[in-house]
Amino acid sequence: DGGITQSPKYLFRKEGQNVTLSCEQNLNHDAMYWYRQDPGQGLRLIYYSQIVNDFQKGDIAEGYSVSREKKESFPLTVTSAQKNPTAFYLCASSAGAGDYEQYFGPGTRLTVT
Amino acid sequence: GENVEQHPSTLSVQEGDSAVIKCTYSDSASNYFPWYKQELGKGPQLIIDIRSNVGEKKDQRIAVTLNKTAKHFSLHITETQPEDSAVYFCAASPNTGNQFYFGTGTSLTVIP
Repeated sequence: DGGITQSPKYLFRKEGQNVTLSCEQNLNHDAMYWYRQDPGQGLRLIYYSQIVNDFQKGDIAEGYSVSREKKESFPLTVTSAQKNPTAFYLCASSAGAGDYEQYFGPGTRLTVT
Repeated sequence: GENVEQHPSTLSVQEGDSAVIKCTYSDSASNYFPWYKQELGKGPQLIIDIRSNVGEKKDQRIAVTLNKTAKHFSLHITETQPEDSAVYFCAASPNTGNQFYFGTGTSLTVIP
């Protein structure tokens, strides 16, 4: 059963704590992405990676960090520097960058209080 | 960078009627235009896409049209069913870039 998995589905943290969201894919895709979704704002790109050990900032990277040590994994850390971290986070992957279809995971809803 | 606008933000139709969602984009370098359907609490799923060398594409009850000159593309759903109720997102991807630019979404409700 191929696809993208994100865990956990729901995550709760206290303000000031860092938290890491997991994203794994078994589609053998080179490119992976992290998006943030807020009500009425569509999807905004946080970070993307086109290849292992390489990643670039998206439009809203401040307060987030990523790593890409393995092709199948692209974890996202929400740091205490992120001013408004409560959101729905979506991971995606594609065979390549640009005009390749992106496949999305089921998402993680993070609530920080 | 690319800017994608999507309208309407909400849409209600009677079951069996058609639904149309429209998007405009700003970057003439964009050449790939996917449409995603997102059900509550789930990740978006691709339902149809179109590339800039094609003006129209159809898949059963769903069709997408692209007007490169006017920089707009539209999603058409015919014979709507209650299970079509969801949020729909359009996106544009420039051939010189590495990311999708998404519209703000349309919440479609199909009334039985």
